[in-house]
Amino acid sequence: DAKTTQPNSMESNEEEPVHLPCNHSTISGTDYIHWYRQLPSQGPEYVIHGLTSNVNNRMASLAIAEDRKSSTLILHRATLRDAAVYYCILRRTGANSKLTFGKGITLSVRP
Amino acid sequence: NAGVMQNPRHLVRRRGQEARLRCSPMKGHSHVYWYRQLPEEGLKFMVYLQKENIIDESGMPKERFSAEFPKEGPSILRIQQVVRGDSAAYFCASSPGQGEGNEQFFGPGTRLTVL
Repeated sequence: DAKTTQPNSMESNEEEPVHLPCNHSTISGTDYIHWYRQLPSQGPEYVIHGLTSNVNNRMASLAIAEDRKSSTLILHRATLRDAAVYYCILRRTGANSKLTFGKGITLSVRP
Repeated sequence: NAGVMQNPRHLVRRRGQEARLRCSPMKGHSHVYWYRQLPEEGLKFMVYLQKENIIDESGMPKERFSAEFPKEGPSILRIQQVVRGDSAAYFCASSPGQGEGNEQFFGPGTRLTVL
């Protein structure tokens, strides 16, 4: 499976936008980019996914570079509840559907 | 529509005992995945099952661990003769099927403590 690299941690202020980067330079043409997050003491939660085009949903936006070697998860207005570990995961369509989690990025939100 | 249910939420076992972890997928989901999160470590895939079939068990330890997803009832992750190193949070996830759009829905986890 192609790997992703993320910074270890990031801090944000409440009600400000947050941009969480992810590098995936070895991504293949059939890999989708998925983001999950894990709040403290909870199970992971799906956030968003995309292939080539930017994506928006009620939780976040996903901006994908034109060459697909990197992407950015955007939280438009961080809240204290958004403090979590965010995982950027590549998932090959049509193949086994397991998720391969890396270390993720720990987002802290200051009030 | 209830989410993924896992029970028990907390389980304490002594070394050498058996641990049984249950997972009820979301209604309509026929695909179940088990993941383990050791203390201070990331989530690791263990096994992927469909009804009555193990699809991928590449992440399962070779001994003492088994999983099933019968035609009726919840999926069961069974750990025989537990050791202290089995202490971890075990998460179950379900999805309606394969494909790029099939997000996995996770349960709250079972926290296993081996004394």
